[in-house]
Amino acid sequence: DTGVSQDPRHKITKRGQNVTFRCDPISEHNRLYWYRQTLGQGPEFLTYFQNEAQLEKSRLLSDRFSAERPKGSFSTLEIQRTEQGDSAMYLCASTTRGAGNEQYFGPGTRLTVT
Amino acid sequence: AQKVTQAQTEISVVEKEDVTLDCVYETRDTTYYLFWYKQPPSGELVFLIRRNSFDEQNEISGRYSWNFQKSTSSFNFTITASQVVDSAVYFCALSEAPGGYQKVTFGIGTKLQVIP
Repeated sequence: DTGVSQDPRHKITKRGQNVTFRCDPISEHNRLYWYRQTLGQGPEFLTYFQNEAQLEKSRLLSDRFSAERPKGSFSTLEIQRTEQGDSAMYLCASTTRGAGNEQYFGPGTRLTVT
Repeated sequence: AQKVTQAQTEISVVEKEDVTLDCVYETRDTTYYLFWYKQPPSGELVFLIRRNSFDEQNEISGRYSWNFQKSTSSFNFTITASQVVDSAVYFCALSEAPGGYQKVTFGIGTKLQVIP
């Protein structure tokens, strides 16, 4: 069990560019979450997958954001036409199905939009 | 709506002192789960403990202990004999009863600095 991995760890992009992040959850975990964390704040929920189905999206997730989990394994989060306000740490977490199970987090992708 | 309040944004203690991190939560559900996570400077959130709403028994794990009181909606975390390695941001989090997915609401975090 290698834990949750995320790639890249850091991304610097210019405003208006598109970026894509990848998350590989723990292999037996069927639930996958994306969060955004800005400086001095706790993680904020963005979206949730159970297997390949995206079951919930936060209102924080504007139409410039899209997430996929095509085969129920890894997931991607794409941000189109990035804005400076998108600069944040993007965290991925996974867990098994079940009530109140703790989520295991990846190291995050730090996005800086210049 | 669920809410988690961590009123202490930053705490500094001298090594070997005890320190308590406060967490107050709000929820309308009778079944819910509480968590503490540690985020060291490296950035990766590390799970510390989970408590469900039906289990008010306090827990001790080494130098860490947790005090869950439903009457005051609090889930406080105490580190005994703090060490420099305890320096991190600590998050309290709340998850309401599952019906569908498990959305976790995090507090703002308490930054703990342990001074040698």
